[in-house]
Amino acid sequence: DAKTTQPPSMDCAEGRAANLPCNHSTISGNEYVYWYRQIHSQGPQYIIHGLKNNETNEMASLIITEDRKSSTLILPHATLRDTAVYYCIVRVGANFGNEKLTFGTGTRLTIIP
Amino acid sequence: DAMVIQNPRYQVTQFGKPVTLSCSQTLNHNVMYWYQQKSSQAPKLLFHYYDKDFNNEADTPDNFQSRRPNTSFCFLDIRSPGLGDAAMYLCATSRDRTSHEQYFGPGTRLTVT
Repeated sequence: DAKTTQPPSMDCAEGRAANLPCNHSTISGNEYVYWYRQIHSQGPQYIIHGLKNNETNEMASLIITEDRKSSTLILPHATLRDTAVYYCIVRVGANFGNEKLTFGTGTRLTIIP
Repeated sequence: DAMVIQNPRYQVTQFGKPVTLSCSQTLNHNVMYWYQQKSSQAPKLLFHYYDKDFNNEADTPDNFQSRRPNTSFCFLDIRSPGLGDAAMYLCATSRDRTSHEQYFGPGTRLTVT
């Protein structure tokens, strides 16, 4: 699985959009980008995933660059409850039979009131 | 509404005294995982079950074992806990091998005295 690089920490004002970057320059063609987050003292929570196209769901948007070497997770209107560690994970898609999630160090996002 | 349940949430054991952590799920998912998360680190996969097939990670110590008696339950056994085994243990599930999303429980925090 490709390695990812994320900033260790970020701050964002409440109500603003939080943009979390992730570099995955060695990503290969059959690898997906996944985002999970972990709120303090809880288990990780799936947010979103994508292969090539931008994706949006009720939680967030995922923007993947055309060369797929980086991506950005966007939380459109951050709230205090979005304070968490956000993990960007790149792996071969589950339909290839690889169930493993390899977590990196993640970005600690703090939402400022 | 809890989908992945871990009991207990906090467990204290003595050095060398066997301990069992339990996980149950109401999702009827085929795949169950155990992760270890040490303080200020990312979760690390120990092993997983696809149905009854056990898959051990290469670097998981022999001290850690698992049982899955039925679809709903999975147990993590630590035969002789050391101080270095103090961690949060996270259970997760996914519907099957083609699923992109893993559902995590709240974790059991293990203290070794």
